[in-house]
Amino acid sequence: KNEVEQSPQNLTAQEGEFITINCSYSVGISALHWLQQHPGGGIVSLFMLSSGKKKHGRLIATINIQEKHSSLHITASHPRDSAVYICAPHPRAGGGADGLTFGKGTHLIIQP
Amino acid sequence: EPEVTQTPSHQVTQMGQEVILRCVPISNHLYFYWYRQILGQKVEFLVSFYNNEISEKSEIFDDQFSVERPDGSNFTLKIRSTKLEDSAMYFCASSDLGLGTEAFFGQGTRLTVV
Repeated sequence: KNEVEQSPQNLTAQEGEFITINCSYSVGISALHWLQQHPGGGIVSLFMLSSGKKKHGRLIATINIQEKHSSLHITASHPRDSAVYICAPHPRAGGGADGLTFGKGTHLIIQP
Repeated sequence: EPEVTQTPSHQVTQMGQEVILRCVPISNHLYFYWYRQILGQKVEFLVSFYNNEISEKSEIFDDQFSVERPDGSNFTLKIRSTKLEDSAMYFCASSDLGLGTEAFFGQGTRLTVV
């Protein structure tokens, strides 16, 4: 069973700050998703990555497969970035349920 | 931009009633998923579906749950006899190549069992 740990659980920061959210998992994976969930509940896929680093606008995601760790960074944070950010590793084939395993999420609040 | 569509957005049902949650996945996707999120808890995998059959299911997905792809576009989750603890947000997702490829999520159906 893949144990997924995210940190911090809650983060409040000021607008403009650089934000880092961390995710650790326990089993080998084929890929990892970073998802964003807004207060209304809808889930949006931000990144899917299996190695290295990806950048999209002010968001950067990195993954170290050997260390079983991924980070999500937000540069120049803005109040509209306030949401829950969820890490969801995707297990390798044969690793059990082929759906995503989800972290508990990091609740981010960016204050103006 | 193609998206996954779920209906209804909110459903209230009496305990013991059957409910059907509907999803229209992205049209060229082949892999479909249902997840649920009980209020205040993390999202949990329920079931994955490929080639007109269940490919994997979690312990949560017991005999009261079933999934179906009744036509070329819809993907449904049926809960036969709802319980209070089935109250949750249910998310449908789809992907084109399954394992290790990006999944796209619907906006969710909030199910309230009273």
